[in-house]
Amino acid sequence: KAGVTQTPRYLIKTRGQQVTLSCSPISGHRSVSWYQQTPGQGLQFLFEYFSETQRNKGNFPGRFSGRQFSNSRSEMNVSTLELGDSALYLCASSLAVEGGNYGYTFGSGTRLTVV
Amino acid sequence: DAKTTQPNSMESNEEEPVHLPCNHSTISGTDYIHWYRQLPSQGPEYVIHGLTSNVNNRMASLAIAEDRKSSTLILHRATLRDAAVYYCIPRDYNQGGKLIFGQGTELSVKP
Repeated sequence: KAGVTQTPRYLIKTRGQQVTLSCSPISGHRSVSWYQQTPGQGLQFLFEYFSETQRNKGNFPGRFSGRQFSNSRSEMNVSTLELGDSALYLCASSLAVEGGNYGYTFGSGTRLTVV
Repeated sequence: DAKTTQPNSMESNEEEPVHLPCNHSTISGTDYIHWYRQLPSQGPEYVIHGLTSNVNNRMASLAIAEDRKSSTLILHRATLRDAAVYYCIPRDYNQGGKLIFGQGTELSVKP
């Protein structure tokens, strides 16, 4: 069974540009969440999508956005990149069944460097 | 959001059991207790989760205190591959996919 796939693995962008990251969840998983990991702030929740709808959002500026497609694949976009956006971006998927009794499977992440 | 307290670091010898503690005194009655670990240069990996009863799986055991204010992750025989940062996360079902990661416990395993 394939795991959570994130592409690309590494990315270098220039300040002011925008970037789109992709996440393919495990087959059958309906929920996709995104996290940012930096040495200073640790792992921070960005947002979650379920059935193409954003269900929850973390405390990040509007430059960070995402979407989910009908096949559950998700993309996140960061516009007007800043140096501080350099981080490991992680995606997690889950079954999201009623009752909450499920875990999350993370991808290996996309390492974004802004120069 | 429930707050957690974990030791910053712990050491273990290979093939010995490891008990990783976590205090979550503000946990609500419906929060599941999740444990994840993150090996160097990888994304977090799900380890185990539970609500009230102790739980076992092929990776570890989770012992939950009767008052649910603390829990302990038990690795029965530590291997070098278990060296990682371990996160204890009370998960509020109403928050959906939002996991709040603290600092975690960095476990080192000595051969």
